[in-house]
Amino acid sequence: KNQVEQSPQSLIILEGKNCTLQCNYTVSPFSNLRWYKQDTGRGPVSLTIMTFSENTKSNGRYTATLDADTKQSSLHITASQLSDSASYICVVWDEGRDSSYKLIFGSGTRLLVRP
Amino acid sequence: SAVISQKPSRDICQRGTSLTIQCQVDSQVTMMFWYRQQPGQSLTLIATANQGSEATYESGFVIDKFPISRPNLTFSTLTVSNMSPEDSSIYLCSVQRGSSYNEQFFGPGTRLTVL
Repeated sequence: KNQVEQSPQSLIILEGKNCTLQCNYTVSPFSNLRWYKQDTGRGPVSLTIMTFSENTKSNGRYTATLDADTKQSSLHITASQLSDSASYICVVWDEGRDSSYKLIFGSGTRLLVRP
Repeated sequence: SAVISQKPSRDICQRGTSLTIQCQVDSQVTMMFWYRQQPGQSLTLIATANQGSEATYESGFVIDKFPISRPNLTFSTLTVSNMSPEDSSIYLCSVQRGSSYNEQFFGPGTRLTVL
C-alpha cells in the first residue's frame, strides 16, 4: 500500500534554532515529492517540489532533500521564526499505470516556534 | 500560482441540515478537487469535480452525501448533505495547473462545525 509517514508528529523549538522534519514513503512509481506548509485555519501552501532526479531544493530558509534510493525526504528549516509555526505536510505524487495520479498525503508535523 | 477563494470560510450548522460550499478560481483550470481534513488529520480526497459531467468520487464518499457541481472551468460547489457531528471538518477546494510539475494549489478551506 502506498504510504507517506512523517516524523516527528510534533516539534517545539526556540526562535532562531534550526530543525529537520522527516518523511518516508513507499509510493511507487514515484513522480515527485512536495512539502507544503499549512498555517492554522488556512489551506496548504507549496514550499518545494522535487522529482526523483533532484537531491536538494531550497526556498529561502527551507531546504528539502530527497534520497530516491532509500525513499526518504527531509525538510530543514534554518534560523526559525515565529511565523514558521505551522503544520508541514509531505505529499508524494503517485502516478498510476493508466496515467492517472493521486496525491498521497503524510499526516504532517506540527511545528511550534517559541520566542 | 492560482488564487482560490471559498465561501463560507466557516459555519456552524445543525444536525440534519445541508451546507453548500463554493469554490472560485481566478482563471480557468482543468482539474478541480475537493478534500476533507478532519481535526488533527491530513487531507483526504473526496472527489474530482469534472466540468460538464458527474464528479468522480473516492472510495468511502458518495454523491448523495457530497453532491458536487462544476458548471464551468473556474467554479465548483460541494454540498455536505444531512450533516452529522462526524462531518465537522475543514473542506478544501484544490486545483491543478498544468506545468512541468503539475503544480497543485489549495483554497483557504471552509471550517464546518456540526452541532
